[in-house]
Amino acid sequence: NAGVTQTPKFRILKIGQSMTLQCTQDMNHNYMYWYRQDPGMGLKLIYYSVGAGITDKGEVPNGYNVSRSTTEDFPLRLELAAPSQTSVYFCASRDSYEQYFGPGTRLTVT
Amino acid sequence: KNQVEQSPQSLIILEGKNCTLQCNYTVSPFSNLRWYKQDTGRGPVSLTIMTFSENTKSNGRYTATLDADTKQSSLHITASQLSDSASYICVVSAYGTDKLIFGTGTRLQVFP
Repeated sequence: NAGVTQTPKFRILKIGQSMTLQCTQDMNHNYMYWYRQDPGMGLKLIYYSVGAGITDKGEVPNGYNVSRSTTEDFPLRLELAAPSQTSVYFCASRDSYEQYFGPGTRLTVT
Repeated sequence: KNQVEQSPQSLIILEGKNCTLQCNYTVSPFSNLRWYKQDTGRGPVSLTIMTFSENTKSNGRYTATLDADTKQSSLHITASQLSDSASYICVVSAYGTDKLIFGTGTRLQVFP
């Protein structure tokens, strides 16, 4: 049982480049989330989805976009990378009781 | 403003010793409180979840307590092991929302 998987594990981007962080879950969960974790800070919600075709902004959505075409996949898009987006990104999905987190993607923008 | 504060920020203990981590929150209306363990380079993993009516919950050597009146929670680790070295995050959910409010975590290091 893979749970929540994320790719890539690490990535270095130059300022202005774009990339997509991939997230897939195999638990058939409707709810999925993207968080970022900065050093010394709590996780902040970027975007979330309550089902295929439905997404909504979290606390810190600026500079990011998401889509949810299937139940399994919830990719996060960075269009014009900025140094402020250097962070660790976690995807999560949840059932009626608990959230399950992926292993994270460490992104550095230089 | 909904906030979750944890103390201490970091803690060093010797293997076999006990320790207690603290969490204070101002989230209202309160729904539930969770403790997560996050190993270095990994995603958070749930340890316990408590609702308003629960004041203690155990998961092996981990015991969480909740005082909903004072809006405080603690996580007690008994007979610590090297594998307990991790960050422990307190997370609170407000009633009627799917969103979680995360504390900044306590970094625990257990040395032999």
